[in-house]
Amino acid sequence: GAVVSQHPSWVICKSGTSVKIECRSLDFQATTMFWYRQFPKQSLMLMATSNEGSKATYEQGVEKDKFLINHASLTLSTLTVTSAHPEDSSFYICSASEDSYGYTFGSGTRLTVV
Amino acid sequence: AQKITQTQPGMFVQEKEAVTLDCTYDTSDPSYGLFWYKQPSSGEMIFLIYQGSYDQQNATEGRYSLNFQKARKSANLVISASQLGDSAMYFCAMREGRDSSYKLIFGSGTRLLVRP
Repeated sequence: GAVVSQHPSWVICKSGTSVKIECRSLDFQATTMFWYRQFPKQSLMLMATSNEGSKATYEQGVEKDKFLINHASLTLSTLTVTSAHPEDSSFYICSASEDSYGYTFGSGTRLTVV
Repeated sequence: AQKITQTQPGMFVQEKEAVTLDCTYDTSDPSYGLFWYKQPSSGEMIFLIYQGSYDQQNATEGRYSLNFQKARKSANLVISASQLGDSAMYFCAMREGRDSSYKLIFGSGTRLLVRP
């Protein structure tokens, strides 16, 4: 079946630094990828939708200058958390549009900002 | 307004029994899809079952079935013969639009605990 690889699975960074998270579709081409964040014991909140070769569409309330999304190829999308602060600590998970109706999720990245 | 509503924050079920997890949705789009995912403590999202708005039959996948009541805008997940490994968070999600280029919106989730 379709596989989406997400790296790193966990990362600890210092406040003020930037962190890049990669989401790669291994055996299919994903024209659309989605980025979610999930706080403990809460649901997945959509941050942005990225389409290959174009700018990401951000959900209301998500700072696009803080959460930089790049979808440079049909198999790779990246999320960069810039100038990270402790409140950015969360679980980030990507999802790739697989076929006419399916979505394949990455395994998620647990970000801790200290 | 909430697009997807899961009213049960937590549920208990006895091993080997069936359990129903509730989900209601709100959309004016005639073409939509409804999904259920399982999220164990590891965080991965495991796809369970899908129901399209035009599907005439209720979806089934092994021990999972979806009780789709379109007029009531509900898409409840039924898990039969519960197993200890079914203990996890369960999310209902909806896609408005005809295909997966459209975003998926999640409900708040239900934590299911299966008792031995």
